[in-house]
Order: sequence, then C-alpha cells, then structure tokens
Amino acid sequence: RKEVEQDPGPFNVPEGATVAFNCTYSNSASQSFFWYRQDCRKEPKLLMSVYSSGNEDGRFTAQLNRASQYISLLIRDSKLSDSATYLCVVRRSGGYQKVTFGTGTKLQVIP
Amino acid sequence: ETGVTQTPRHLVMGMTNKKSLKCEQHLGHNAMYWYKQSAKKPLELMFVYSLEERVENNSVPSRFSPECPNSSHLFLHLHTLQPEDSALYLCASSQVPGNAGANVLTFGAGSRLTVL
Repeated sequence: RKEVEQDPGPFNVPEGATVAFNCTYSNSASQSFFWYRQDCRKEPKLLMSVYSSGNEDGRFTAQLNRASQYISLLIRDSKLSDSATYLCVVRRSGGYQKVTFGTGTKLQVIP
Repeated sequence: ETGVTQTPRHLVMGMTNKKSLKCEQHLGHNAMYWYKQSAKKPLELMFVYSLEERVENNSVPSRFSPECPNSSHLFLHLHTLQPEDSALYLCASSQVPGNAGANVLTFGAGSRLTVL
C-alpha cells in the first residue's frame, strides 16, 4: 500500500460546483498534513495546512480524520482558476525525509 | 516571483554531458532540498541540506552530485545521466525542524531536464 494515496482524477466540474477530494495515508505516526496546489508546468505551492479540528480558508475547507487516516479538501463555488492538481502531503515526526507527497488529484473547472 | 529561483528552467543534455542545476533562495531559510518529479509519480526527495550540511541522501545514483556552498545556494551537478533521468527537478527551502514554519516547503519553478 502506498504511504499516501489520492484519486488521480481528473475531476471535471462546472463553475460554481462544490467538489471534494480525499487522501488516505497509511502511517498512523503521521503528524502534519497539508494540501499543495500545482498548476500545469509550475511548482507546487502551499494551499493550506490541515488541522485536527478542521479549518477553512475562504472557499476551501480541510478536514482530518485520524481514526480513518484520511484528509479531505472541499472547494465550494468552484472558479475556473481553481483548475490545477491538488497534492496531499503528509509528514511524520522526525527529520526532513519524513515528508511524503501524493501523486495529486487533477481538477478541471469547466465554464 | 517565488523566493526560490532555479536556473536553467529547461535543459537538454546528452548522456555524456556534464551540467549543473542551480537554486537560490531569498527567504532566510536554512534547509534546502532537491526533489524529482516524473510524470504520474509523486515527488521524490533526493537530497536535503540543513545549515549547509547534507542530512539526507535518498539512495540517489552517484551521477547526481549535490553541493551547498552556503545556506542560500544549492547546486545539483549532473554527469553521465540516463534517459530515464528526464524529469522536472524542483528545489525547495524551509526552516529547519523545530523552528516556526519548518513544515512549509517553498518550491522553485523547477528545471525541466531532458536527457537524450
């Protein structure tokens, strides 16, 4: 089993729709969780950290479920500019090497 | 413009060539990383430098040789690469663990390498 798994998509959604992605992780020692966004042929950029109690940033909501070992990202009122690949990132305690990236979920928002 | 700058953005090289990728960060971070991103694969960590000392080498072939002369600069020297080494090479920086912001990686735009 991969350490971090994501549905690669693509998710094709109309503008204004709500879309949700899940990401599962296999190591229960994982401590920190993040969503990064990567536009086509660009570098990944931090979208938001994921906190135990869940957190929201504008149209974006992140949730963590430790019991089931998954994190989620909800995007409300999708914009064309949200089209990108969303990378799930999981960090275990310890050194630098304990950061694991998922392969990403591709989102395409359609006019 | 990102605080992490990579050059060149694109590089085509033959298998017998020697070339180098350069990364420079202007964020005051003290940890720097090289990642490899291939199609359909997750980012793979190659090397980590913390306070200019290599702290991680993820079983990377010796044809890749990193160099970190100071906390702001990182190089990846390339020699006798194989076609399967063609990928996007991303540099990143962060604070060292224990410092605020240590979890957050800031990436450069990447160097897209093609090995013929």
